[in-house]
Amino acid sequence: QKEVEQNSGPLSVPEGAIASLNCTYSDRGSQSFFWYRQYSGKSPELIMSIYSNGDKEDGRFTAQLNKASQYVSLLIRDSQPSDSATYLCASRGSYIPTFGRGTSLIVHP
Amino acid sequence: DVKVTQSSRYLVKRTGEKVFLECVQDMDHENMFWYRQDPGLGLRLIYFSYDVKMKEKGDIPEGYSVSREKKERFSLILESASTNQTSMYLCASSSTGNFRSYNEQFFGPGTRLTVL
Repeated sequence: QKEVEQNSGPLSVPEGAIASLNCTYSDRGSQSFFWYRQYSGKSPELIMSIYSNGDKEDGRFTAQLNKASQYVSLLIRDSQPSDSATYLCASRGSYIPTFGRGTSLIVHP
Repeated sequence: DVKVTQSSRYLVKRTGEKVFLECVQDMDHENMFWYRQDPGLGLRLIYFSYDVKMKEKGDIPEGYSVSREKKERFSLILESASTNQTSMYLCASSSTGNFRSYNEQFFGPGTRLTVL
C-alpha cells in the first residue's frame, strides 16, 4: 500500500516566521513530489514540484527532497496570514499520485 | 495556464436521482481523474482515464460510473444518488510526458454535491 504521511496539525506560526511542513512517503519508486495548497472550500492548487534530491526554491517557498530518507518538506519564509490553508503533499510513481491527508497551517498576526 | 473546469460549483439532488458531473480540460492532457474529498478522509480516487474511452477503477468506484468520449471531457455519473454521496467532487488532469517530467495534476474548482 503506497502511503504519504503528514502531520494533520494545526501548525501555528507567527506572521513573518518560517513555516516548515513535512511529509514521508512509502513508495521508493516515486519519481516526482508535489505540494498543493488548499483553502477551505476550494480545490487544491499546485505550488511546488520537485523530483531531484536537494532544494528547489520559488519565491518564498522552498521544497526539499531526500529520497534516501523518503522525506519531502516545504518551507514557507516570511509567512503571511494569507498562507493559512491546508497543505497537501503528494508523490507520483506512475501517473496516479498518492496524496497525504494534509497539514493545516495557521499564520497568526 | 492549464484550465480545468467543472460544470457546477454547487448541486443539490434528491435520493435516487441520476446525477451527471462534467469536467473539461484545455491542455490536451491524456489523463483525467475524479476524486471525492470528505473531512478527515482526504482525497479518494473514484475513477481515472488515461485515454479516450479508457477507464480504470480507483479506490472507491462503487455507486459511480464514468464516460470519456472526447479527450478533453470526463464525466462522472451517479446512477442513483444516495445521501452518503454528499461530498466535494474534484476533477483533475495530467499529462503522461516522459520519465523525468513532473506530470503534475491540475484540479478543477470542485463541485459541492448535496444529496437530500
